[in-house]
Amino acid sequence: SQQGEEDPQALSIQEGENATMNCSYKTSINNLQWYRQNSGRGLVHLILIRSNEREKHSGRLRVTLDTSKKSSSLLITASRAADTASYFCAAYSSYKLIFGSGTRLLVRP
Amino acid sequence: DTGVSQNPRHKITKRGQNVTFRCDPISEHNRLYWYRQTLGQGPEFLTYFQNEAQLEKSRLLSDRFSAERPKGSFSTLEIQRTEQGDSAMYLCASSSEGQGWDTEAFFGQGTRLTVV
Repeated sequence: SQQGEEDPQALSIQEGENATMNCSYKTSINNLQWYRQNSGRGLVHLILIRSNEREKHSGRLRVTLDTSKKSSSLLITASRAADTASYFCAAYSSYKLIFGSGTRLLVRP
Repeated sequence: DTGVSQNPRHKITKRGQNVTFRCDPISEHNRLYWYRQTLGQGPEFLTYFQNEAQLEKSRLLSDRFSAERPKGSFSTLEIQRTEQGDSAMYLCASSSEGQGWDTEAFFGQGTRLTVV
């Protein structure tokens, strides 16, 4: 399979709580990216972390990368109902993105 | 520029028919990608172009699939003799070459194919 693994597959939290999603990938990478997808729609880029970086922040998002373990995590702080979506990590390697299987996040109002 | 545009948004076809999808990338983006996504899964890489050259094809892309990007602008993806297993969302994305480090991809809304 092309895809890496994401954990958990589904996550349900209360509005205001933090959401953490984990991702593992298989290849060596140039960077690791996270995307968001609302039901039946295209993907929207959230954040990119380079292979020589360990942590990156953007607004309520925090991404970590551990290249020795081939893993990454995405933290969304102070979640909102509008954050409800599927979240995918994508490993950028050899000029293409290889996506994980995704985490479906439900934020309850 | 309004982003990556895909047409049609939805396509229903009978098994055995040929279908063609179109993708208009963001202007001046020299890379164009096709992905396929089935329900509950992440997008799977199919192929990509740099300008008009098709540089890589996934093993998922059988002989019934062909993609072109004739002038390095828009791209078409054709599926011949469609099968029910081809039912999926077909996503197109584009990016600029950059330096290989910060290459964010911009995705279209996709074409949802249903083979009946």
